[in-house]
Amino acid sequence: QQQVKQSPQSLIVQKGGISIINCAYENTAFDYFPWYQQFPGKGPALLIAIRPDVSEKKEGRFTISFNKSAKQFSLHIMDSQPGDSATYFCAAMAAAGNKLTFGGGTRVLVKP
Amino acid sequence: GAVVSQHPSRVICKSGTSVKIECRSLDFQATTMFWYRQFPKQSLMLMATSNEGSKATYEQGVEKDKFLINHASLTLSTLTVTSAHPEDSSFYICSATTGSNQPQHFGDGTRLSIL
Repeated sequence: QQQVKQSPQSLIVQKGGISIINCAYENTAFDYFPWYQQFPGKGPALLIAIRPDVSEKKEGRFTISFNKSAKQFSLHIMDSQPGDSATYFCAAMAAAGNKLTFGGGTRVLVKP
Repeated sequence: GAVVSQHPSRVICKSGTSVKIECRSLDFQATTMFWYRQFPKQSLMLMATSNEGSKATYEQGVEKDKFLINHASLTLSTLTVTSAHPEDSSFYICSATTGSNQPQHFGDGTRLSIL
């Protein structure tokens, strides 16, 4: 059972554009939602994370929007750059837990 | 901060060989470490969770006798793939955390190729 569904699977955006990746979850016990960025041949790196007490969190060009009632959250990459080309994974963790449930990943390609 | 080092980064060996992969938290004490497996263009699949000084907890379908995990200290966990076969070829990634409901920090993975 895939508890975190991520879309789209791939995304092509022009330099300077906005990349938007969406995730939906089923388990209402989830209360920590990180996004990871992974380059080929490397491990995932924590990009930004949110907890359900806020609806939005922004760090530089990266913003998470969170909709608790819809059980959805999304990552927006503003002013996308070629260096942002990577695979992005959303994930979720339950309260008092420590296991991450990952989405399927989105391959983002930013064209110069 | 929160650096996780994984070694080796790449291993190529013959079928039947046992391979050990190390995962170290360099600047923090990791009460829990995780081992994942990732196939090309796929997401991360959790294999097992290890707590310092305790036996690892394996996910359903993961053979504990095949993938031996040791977490002897708060900064080191090892994964040994015993009697490796070509189907064990994959990208193995570890992560570490300081406790429940805390961020996981990942190593850079080990590319294992079994000939």
